[in-house]
Amino acid sequence: TQLLEQSPQFLSIQEGENLTVYCNSSSVFSSLQWYRQEPGEGPVLLVTVVTGGEVKKLKRLTFQFGDARKDSSLHITAAQPGDTGLYLCAGVSRRTNAGKSTFGDGTTLTVKP
Amino acid sequence: EAGVAQSPRYKIIEKRQSVAFWCNPISGHATLYWYQQILGQGPKLLIQFQNNGVVDDSQLPKDRFSAERLKGVDSTLKIQPAKLEDSAVYLCASSLNRVSGNTIYFGEGSWLTVV
Repeated sequence: TQLLEQSPQFLSIQEGENLTVYCNSSSVFSSLQWYRQEPGEGPVLLVTVVTGGEVKKLKRLTFQFGDARKDSSLHITAAQPGDTGLYLCAGVSRRTNAGKSTFGDGTTLTVKP
Repeated sequence: EAGVAQSPRYKIIEKRQSVAFWCNPISGHATLYWYQQILGQGPKLLIQFQNNGVVDDSQLPKDRFSAERLKGVDSTLKIQPAKLEDSAVYLCASSLNRVSGNTIYFGEGSWLTVV
């Protein structure tokens, strides 16, 4: 079983602050995805990273895939209340059935105005 | 484009009763997933279909859970009999196919409370 550990579990910050959340595993992934889930809704895909060392930017969000493809980070610059939600990472292992994503337990982010 | 549709949105049942959830994936999506998300945890894959065939049901508690996708489109997930620990959100999702890295689109979920 490939386990994805996300940290921190909870994060509460003021509007305008920067933050980084992490997703770590001992397994190598062929791709890793980040989702955001708001209360009462399903997760929504933010980004997919495929190449070791890859960095992708989505407005104020920066995603990085580790060189060894075992870990990833999400950095948010100048957080806004609209960024509040549960951030989930999900990895697809090279050894498992293609298309099966294993999810971490997420980081719950609260951005206070 | 219509998203993944699920019903019912909320369900409260007593333990040992049965419940069924329905999912209509995005049109044209060959791969359909059912996930269980317990409060405070990430989604856990229960079963994955490719068209009307089961690709992965290794984490489905088969003594009480069953799922089908008879015509390769809609799917139903049934729990019988329900236990207290089945209280969770049941998320249906779909993707074009099972290629690694494909975008998975989730429905809003069916919230189950077992009392």
